[in-house]
Amino acid sequence: AQTVTQSQPEMSVQEAETVTLSCTYDTSESDYYLFWYKQPPSRQMILVIRQEAYKQQNATENRFSVNFQKAAKSFSLKISDSQLGDAAMYFCAYRSANSGTYKYIFGTGTRLKVLA
Amino acid sequence: NAGVTQTPKFRILKIGQSMTLQCTQDMNHNYMYWYRQDPGMGLKLIYYSVGAGITDKGEVPNGYNVSRSTTEDFPLRLELAAPSQTSVYFCASRFPGTGVEKLFFGSGTQLSVL
Repeated sequence: AQTVTQSQPEMSVQEAETVTLSCTYDTSESDYYLFWYKQPPSRQMILVIRQEAYKQQNATENRFSVNFQKAAKSFSLKISDSQLGDAAMYFCAYRSANSGTYKYIFGTGTRLKVLA
Repeated sequence: NAGVTQTPKFRILKIGQSMTLQCTQDMNHNYMYWYRQDPGMGLKLIYYSVGAGITDKGEVPNGYNVSRSTTEDFPLRLELAAPSQTSVYFCASRFPGTGVEKLFFGSGTQLSVL
């Protein structure tokens, strides 16, 4: 069975600085999707970024980028120029790309604090 | 376009009571999911559905039931509530196919069983 591990329960970053959140996963499959979701205090889950495993190029979305290391099964999220609004829980998630697979597997989350 | 709507937002139950958490989406999504979120545990899949009339168990289905009579609605039923079911419950949906790989979430239901 696939698993997703986020080993950092909490991280802090100074406003305008850069922070990296870690995520590792375990799978025997070669084709899958990886995601980072943000959950602010409002509780609303927001998709931050998505990576397809067959793409070697790391995904980027404005100040958010990932470091996808397929062989190492690592998928870290880098937030540049951190803003107070980035403070939230961040969840890493995995979904197999196999036909007939519908489940998303989430990690336990990392709480990010942004210091003014 | 309201997206995914969950009701109620908060609820307190007594042990042994039953209730239904409502979830409806107006995006014509085939796939719908119920997750529970416990502190430090991430999101655990309870049940999911790939279309009207089709449901399947996730990781933690015990104590819950679901039905999917329409594309729009996916209610979650708690029978004989227990303190272990105290959690935040999220409903989510998505369109099938790999071109739009995004889960849309409701705003959650915070449930306390006392």
